[in-house]
Parts: sequence; C-alpha cells; structure tokens
Amino acid sequence: GAVVSQHPSWVICKSGTSVKIECRSLDFQATTMFWYRQFPKQSLMLMATSNEGSKATYEQGVEKDKFLINHASLTLSTLTVTSAHPEDSSFYICSATPGTGYAGELFFGEGSRLTVL
Amino acid sequence: SQQGEEDPQALSIQEGENATMNCSYKTSINNLQWYRQNSGRGLVHLILIRSNEREKHSGRLRVTLDTSKKSSSLLITASRAADTASYFCAPSTGANSKLTFGKGITLSVRP
Repeated sequence: GAVVSQHPSWVICKSGTSVKIECRSLDFQATTMFWYRQFPKQSLMLMATSNEGSKATYEQGVEKDKFLINHASLTLSTLTVTSAHPEDSSFYICSATPGTGYAGELFFGEGSRLTVL
Repeated sequence: SQQGEEDPQALSIQEGENATMNCSYKTSINNLQWYRQNSGRGLVHLILIRSNEREKHSGRLRVTLDTSKKSSSLLITASRAADTASYFCAPSTGANSKLTFGKGITLSVRP
C-alpha cells in the first residue's frame, strides 16, 4: 500500500510555456502532499506543502505565482510551472502521507524531469 | 522542520561488507526516518524509529537512535550492489509534519 504516482515522468517544453505535473495517491487519501525539486547531485529542496481544499504553503524563496499548486481532491495535487524558463529545468518530486495510522512517513512519486529549452 | 546531517558524504564498500551511515540533528523529535534514493528516482521510505526506541531492525537494516546525543545510525548488513544509492535521514516532529533533507550519503557497493 501507500503508492504515489507522478505524471509525466519527463517533459520537454519551450521557454515561456506552462507545464503541469500531477501527483496522485493511488491507495490512500492524502490531506497533505509535499512538492520538492532536486538539482543534479544535490539534495531535495522542499518547495511547498499542498493542503487539500486550501491554499498551499510555500517555503521561503519559492515564487507562488511561478509554481502554482492545486490540491482539489484527497488523491490529487498538481504543480504547474508557469512561463517556464531554462532555470526551471529540474527534477520535481511529490510526496504524500496517509496520515491516520502513520507517524509521518512520506511516500514519494517517481519524479518528473522537466527540461525547458 | 529541521534537516538531518548525514555522515560520511560518500561511502564505497565491497559487496558483502556492512555499511554504516550516521545522522545528527539539532532539536527534539517525535521520530527519525531513513530514505533511499536510486539515481533519477523518487525516495523510498526505509525505516522509522520513534523517539522512545533505541534500536530497530528491518531485514538487513538496523537503525539506532540516541536522543541524548541527537544522533542515529543506519547499518546495512551484507551489502549488495543493488544497495548502491543515496541515503537520507529525516528527523520528524510527527504525522503530517514536513520533512526536509540534507545532502545525503552516496553509497557505492562494488560487485
């Protein structure tokens, strides 16, 4: 159990376009999901906490207008990179926790590699 | 949230040997978790140890926690080439708390 699916696995887009990444909890409901980005050979950087039915909480330094997060249901959160630029190229990873019955373990998607040309 | 500091940054061992990885943190925790990341993939939760536990086992994994020293260790016994990955520790204040990650430990297991 506790499977998180992320889509797409990789995406290439032109500069100035927007890209949407989906994160789904397949076998549990997740009131909270987390979005991270990771640069090559570096650690994960927490971008934001996605809360079902309410606004996301962004970490300091993360542009909320640039990285739009929507958590419209208990099993789906989306991250939209708006007006993408080459510096937005990165590996984006989502995670979720089942909450009830768990002590805070996170279950991660497989990540989405974004390349902006 | 606080991130753990893993040590060493890199570890290279021969298949069959044991791998010991360490983690230190700064403030009180509810539990501490270890994760593995294979290259280009998401993280996989390995094991969680609660603040009132001192040692926990799961298969070839053994994790210890010393809250007085604010440190934890992860031991992988009889390592395999497939254990080659990056390993991260994550101190947690409990359910629904956000986790932040340090630089991790790059483990290479030579066949």
